[in-house]
Formats: sequence, C-alpha cells, structure tokens
Amino acid sequence: NAGVMQNPRHLVRRRGQEARLRCSPMKGHSHVYWYRQLPEEGLKFMVYLQKENIIDESGMPKERFSAEFPKEGPSILRIQQVVRGDSAAYFCASSPQKNEQYFGPGTRLTVT
Amino acid sequence: AQTVTQSQPEMSVQEAETVTLSCTYDTSENNYYLFWYKQPPSRQMILVIRQEAYKQQNATENRFSVNFQKAAKSFSLKISDSQLGDTAMYFCAWMNRDDKIIFGKGTRLHILP
Repeated sequence: NAGVMQNPRHLVRRRGQEARLRCSPMKGHSHVYWYRQLPEEGLKFMVYLQKENIIDESGMPKERFSAEFPKEGPSILRIQQVVRGDSAAYFCASSPQKNEQYFGPGTRLTVT
Repeated sequence: AQTVTQSQPEMSVQEAETVTLSCTYDTSENNYYLFWYKQPPSRQMILVIRQEAYKQQNATENRFSVNFQKAAKSFSLKISDSQLGDTAMYFCAWMNRDDKIIFGKGTRLHILP
C-alpha cells in the first residue's frame, strides 16, 4: 500500500508565477489536509478537504491560495503570483477517518 | 486558542543514553489527541507515538514512551537507549475532534557517537 504521494518534491518558481502542488492520498483515504512549514518552524495547518468539499480553510491566506480535491485525481494546492515569502515546505496528509493523519514527503517550494 | 510549547530548541545526548523532550499545551477541550512526530533530514514526517487524552495509561512504542499529565497539560517524550538514527527534529502536536493538528516549534535532537 503506497503512502501519501506528493509531487513535485522540489519546485522552483520566479516571483509572479503560479505554483501547483499535488497530493495523492493513500488508497481508501477520503480526507486530505495541507500544512506549511517555514524554515525552523513547526507545521501550520492550512486547509482540510474531503472529496469535492472544503471542510476547513481557516489556515489559508485569503488571497492567491486555493485548494481542491476533485472526485477523481489528486488534491491540488495552488498558489498564484508567488512571492518570496511563499518559500516553504508544503506537506499533505491523508486520513481514512478522523483522528489519524499520514503525512507525505512534502514539496519544497523555492521562489526566486 | 490552542497552543503547543516545546521549551527546548536543541538537545544533545550520547548514544545509548536516555533523553526526555518536554512539551506543554494549552486547551480548554476535554477530548483530544497528542502526538510526537519525528522529522529526520529527509524532512519526512514520521509518527512516533500517539496518546488519546481520555486514556490515563501512558503510550509506549518500543524505546519511545510518554509521560502524559493531563491536569498539568504536559506531554513529554522519553527515548531510551538512544541510537544515532534518532537524530532528528521532534515535534509535539495536538489535535481535537475537528482534525486540525497544532504543532510546536520543535526540538532538534542530536545523538552523539
């Protein structure tokens, strides 16, 4: 049973470009969570999704950031018009039910 | 608001020694979960141990055990017979029934040969 997959593992974008981060949950998992880790910090919750629904987006910046988890395919975290402050590691976690989250390897985004 | 505090930014111990990492948290909720995650240089987040707040018995996983003091809101991690592969960042984390995990800032642990 493959774990949570994230791609790309490393992504470099120039300021103003768009970044798309993908997360494929573990088989049978219908809950997906996105977290951001700034350098030397712990992970911070961004958004919680179930298939075709955003359940909690209280940690998402109000502008430029969006997330989706379509009926088919991976969950996508999209950052428009990236800025240097968006440079971070972005982790996805999936869960088959409440109270258990399995993390992917993360995507390290660098904005130049 | 819920917070998780790890008061030790960095620690070093000799291989085979026992080390305890501290964690305190603040919440007004009664039902929640506590975790310790390990993040090695690969940056993968690895679940080390999990504690349910309604269980009084401290969780144990091989060389890893916790000291859960609910009234004091304390959740420390003890690593026995430490090994070089235990070198990593360790994050204490709290989760409620809404499934949002709150992480501490981490403790960088060095196991010295």
